[in-house]
Amino acid sequence: GENVEQHPSTLSVQEGDSAVIKCTYSDSASNYFPWYKQELGKGPQLIIDIRSNVGEKKDQRIAVTLNKTAKHFSLHITETQPEDSAVYFCAASITTGANNLFFGTGTRLTVIP
Amino acid sequence: DAGVIQSPRHEVTEMGQEVTLRCKPISGHNSLFWYRQTMMRGLELLIYFNNNVPIDDSGMPEDRFSAKMPNASFSTLKIQPSEPRDSAVYFCASSPLSLSIGELFFGEGSRLTVL
Repeated sequence: GENVEQHPSTLSVQEGDSAVIKCTYSDSASNYFPWYKQELGKGPQLIIDIRSNVGEKKDQRIAVTLNKTAKHFSLHITETQPEDSAVYFCAASITTGANNLFFGTGTRLTVIP
Repeated sequence: DAGVIQSPRHEVTEMGQEVTLRCKPISGHNSLFWYRQTMMRGLELLIYFNNNVPIDDSGMPEDRFSAKMPNASFSTLKIQPSEPRDSAVYFCASSPLSLSIGELFFGEGSRLTVL
């Protein structure tokens, strides 16, 4: 099955700086890569996703890049704010014929005011 | 919409007791998932249903775990008998897509502590 590795496990940045979280995956058939944000006491919530037919996707201060050859994808958060503090999970999946997201182990991001 | 609703939010029980966790998915969503989250293993898929039918239960750790979805608006995850190693946060999630993966909408979780 798919194996998703995520780094770093913890990340602290100053408010206004950028944060980058990286993930690698093992199954070359994976073609859907979402990122979820989990705030304290809540369930994970989708913040952005990318499919394998594009290399980059942006939504305001967050962006995701995908390198299918190297089998890695990254989340970039610019101009970080204290409310960005949370645990972020990457995931990978095959979109058809399967209905299972394989999650990374999570990155705890702390934005220091 | 109220989102995915889980109950109880917190459960403390003693080893050997039966535990039942409940989930109400978002109306109209065809797929329902049960995940377990621990520090050691992260988010693990236990089982998922499509149109109320269990599709893949390979993630269920052992026979002590069982899940049902008697109708489109309700699912249960039961642990009998419970053990301390079952302590975790259990999430239910639903998705509007049946045959392809898409956004999962998670509930707020049920935190289980087995003493």
